[in-house]
Amino acid sequence: QSVLTQPPSVSGAPGQRVTISCTGSSSNLGVSYDVHWYQQRPGTAPKLLIYGNSNRPSGVPDRFSGSKSGTSASLAVTGLLAEDEGHYYCQSYDSSLSGSVFGGGTKLTVL
Amino acid sequence: ELQVVESGGGLVQPGRSLRLSCGASGFTFDDYAMHWVRQAPGKGLEWVSGISWNSDKIDYADSVKGRFTISRDNAKNSVYLQMTSLRADDTALYYCVRDKTAIPNYAMDVWGHGTTVTVS
Repeated sequence: QSVLTQPPSVSGAPGQRVTISCTGSSSNLGVSYDVHWYQQRPGTAPKLLIYGNSNRPSGVPDRFSGSKSGTSASLAVTGLLAEDEGHYYCQSYDSSLSGSVFGGGTKLTVL
Repeated sequence: ELQVVESGGGLVQPGRSLRLSCGASGFTFDDYAMHWVRQAPGKGLEWVSGISWNSDKIDYADSVKGRFTISRDNAKNSVYLQMTSLRADDTALYYCVRDKTAIPNYAMDVWGHGTTVTVS
């Protein structure tokens, strides 16, 4: 059971919009620790997608956006492409555990 | 090019020890915190440990606390993970990862390809 909770899977047709939720608690997202998102395509290392709740590293398309409110966060992907398939993970810091924590991951399938 | 490269993985018997190494290049190593993150076969990401730029702040996941030790040598641009009392559930691909800041509590922006540890 992960400290950050994500849905196991989401799916959408090409061109559609999907969102992935990440639910935390008062010891992580709720105490103003930022949430970060990673994309992991099959057989590759994870890649930072969103940091500081809503910031995109250079090179990440603006089809990806993030938001956070209270103890929850979400990642939105618009204009779905086949290349967006993979697993997506949220991550933050937890003050009770004194360490970083990841969500369990969400598999995105482009239909 | 920003790069971190892991080494030291392998097959080890339960109860034995192993030391992972990670060499960094392309950035000023002692400006950044570093982490180890692992991924068991077919599973999600699990943060293992993080170390600040000057080694003053070190964190461990509960699953490895007391068994694993993270360290760094800024003169060698390297970070290490000493793993003892290894168990079957430590079997995973271990990633060396750079934090975006000097303290290990933020986003992880440079990932290596990983080194595989198999405990059997």
